[in-house]
Amino acid sequence: DAGITQSPRHKVTETGTPVTLRCHQTENHRYMYWYRQDPGHGLRLIHYSYGVKDTDKGEVSDGYSVSRSKTEDFLLTLESATSSQTSVYFCAIGAGRGTGELFFGEGSRLTVL
Amino acid sequence: GESVGLHLPTLSVQEGDNSIINCAYSNSASDYFIWYKQESGKGPQFIIDIRSNMDKRQGQRVTVLLNKTVKHLSLQIAATQPGDSAVYFCAETSTRGDMRFGAGTRLTVKP
Repeated sequence: DAGITQSPRHKVTETGTPVTLRCHQTENHRYMYWYRQDPGHGLRLIHYSYGVKDTDKGEVSDGYSVSRSKTEDFLLTLESATSSQTSVYFCAIGAGRGTGELFFGEGSRLTVL
Repeated sequence: GESVGLHLPTLSVQEGDNSIINCAYSNSASDYFIWYKQESGKGPQFIIDIRSNMDKRQGQRVTVLLNKTVKHLSLQIAATQPGDSAVYFCAETSTRGDMRFGAGTRLTVKP
């Protein structure tokens, strides 16, 4: 299995609180991604990174920010969590644009009450 | 807008039969098209990909077909087994490096 870990794996929080999810990789892959998965919507791209300090928005980036200060870590922050952000969040890593293969973490289940 | 989608949300097949899962896309500029398998409680796993300049690619028991004329992608699974039961996603990746997924098809294999 690819060396990718997400933390926390489960979190329950209240509306209006800040939340940070962490993705850590040991593969030295250039690309890192954050997706959310909801019933009926499949996987939707929130943000992705193509290098240290290089990030770009995905299709559902509103309400989320990311940071990548090191190759191995990609942080997803919800500045003020809302109930609509209750979801399962997946981090993925990829070697680059020359391949279609991403490796996914186990997911982080976030519940916003 | 640009999208990746699936024709059917569910597919049920008999063990040993062949399965075909379909996907439509609208972004002609994509580099790669990919199929992922997701089992319950796990993250998606890569199955096979195909580059935009190819029509067909085969793996172990799986074949991906790309028809650029009608913007259609399909995944064929030969001799479907109970372990193939899962949700299957097609995805596309653009020249920017982002990867976007369709809504998924749930494959159920009946013994």
